[in-house]
Amino acid sequence: AQTVTQSQPEMSVQEAETVTLSCTYDTSENNYYLFWYKQPPSRQMILVIRQEAYKQQNATENRFSVNFQKAAKSFSLKISDSQLGDTAMYFCACGPYGGATNKLIFGTGTLLAVQP
Amino acid sequence: DTAVSQTPKYLVTQMGNDKSIKCEQNLGHDTMYWYKQDSKKFLKIMFSYNNKELIINETVPNRFSPKSPDKAHLNLHINSLELGDSAVYFCASSQSRTSGANVLTFGAGSRLTVL
Repeated sequence: AQTVTQSQPEMSVQEAETVTLSCTYDTSENNYYLFWYKQPPSRQMILVIRQEAYKQQNATENRFSVNFQKAAKSFSLKISDSQLGDTAMYFCACGPYGGATNKLIFGTGTLLAVQP
Repeated sequence: DTAVSQTPKYLVTQMGNDKSIKCEQNLGHDTMYWYKQDSKKFLKIMFSYNNKELIINETVPNRFSPKSPDKAHLNLHINSLELGDSAVYFCASSQSRTSGANVLTFGAGSRLTVL
């Protein structure tokens, strides 16, 4: 069974600063994917970034990057130059590599507030 | 054009009623899902269909019945609504792959309130 844990229910950061959101996971899969999704007040779930477990290089998407520590089963999200529009709930998720039976397991989320 | 569209976006109803939520995707994906987000924002998968075939059925009460008339549509019917059914229900879709990431695209969610 897969589990995803986000230990920070809420975080706050000043505009233009950097913030890191934590995520740990557990899975019995040999290969898998990790994701960060963002849910702004509009409620829409938006994919922020994804990481293939067999790739050692950390994924980056513009101001968003991850620190993937496979041995520690840790997958943190770093947001650089925070913007007001980054205010949202952030969900870490773990899913299988390939197959039709994709069961994406989500963490409990971290509510990030970017302060002006 | 909206990639994954759900209707209605908001639904307020009385306990005991039956209601449906509809979902359509125009991405050409072969797999669709229903997720439930409770009041604490916890997201949990309920069902998944691949090419109209049910492949994931979590421990959801029998009052919930998904139906997929074709691979672009997945509806959720709920009988005898209870207070605990109040939640936001998300539809999502993805393209199944033998290797690589099944990236989910979500709809905007349907907020169900049972009074």
